[in-house]
Amino acid sequence: AQSVTQLDSQVPVFEEAPVELRCNYSSSVSVYLFWYVQYPNQGLQLLLKYLSGSTLVKGINGFEAEFNKSQTSFHLRKPSVHISDTAEYFCAVSADDYKLSFGAGTTVTVRA
Amino acid sequence: GAVVSQHPSWVICKSGTSVKIECRSLDFQATTMFWYRQFPKQSLMLMATSNEGSKATYEQGVEKDKFLINHASLTLSTLTVTSAHPEDSSFYICSASSGSAKNIQYFGAGTRLSVL
Repeated sequence: AQSVTQLDSQVPVFEEAPVELRCNYSSSVSVYLFWYVQYPNQGLQLLLKYLSGSTLVKGINGFEAEFNKSQTSFHLRKPSVHISDTAEYFCAVSADDYKLSFGAGTTVTVRA
Repeated sequence: GAVVSQHPSWVICKSGTSVKIECRSLDFQATTMFWYRQFPKQSLMLMATSNEGSKATYEQGVEKDKFLINHASLTLSTLTVTSAHPEDSSFYICSASSGSAKNIQYFGAGTRLSVL
């Protein structure tokens, strides 16, 4: 089975500052990695995914993440955040059974 | 992109009644659909996986007789919460994946269930 640890439960950040959300996973098999964003009272929107190939993955809204197999990490970054990036962010992992295991989530609050 | 519609977005019901939630893939064929439950300020917990035309596979600890899942077509899955009680109040979210991209799940907007 796979599991995900999101190291930061809350991340306050000022507008136009960079942000990094940390995600570590554990698995005994090859995995697929995802970052999702959830706005209040809404479902999840896929930000980006790592399935194979290049370890640096670019997603929507200026986000990117880097898969590091040796450190079993998949940290999410954005060089300059906007107020509209205020949301809950979930890291998730799946394997060949395609079931997603989610981390506990990171609340990002962007302040002016 | 792939769109998943979930209905209703919010439902209030009396204790003991049953509630049906629909999940539809609007622009692709969803060979597999997933149902999740999310408590306030917590992560998503997978309840069950359903493949079109087959019985759903429930995760450990999820009562299959209480949470009835039907996936009768490639675009529709339903979750029925039977004899709902206040402890069933939660945010229920569905997702869907297609046969050509099983790795990627597209999520509905969720249904908030409040049982009085």
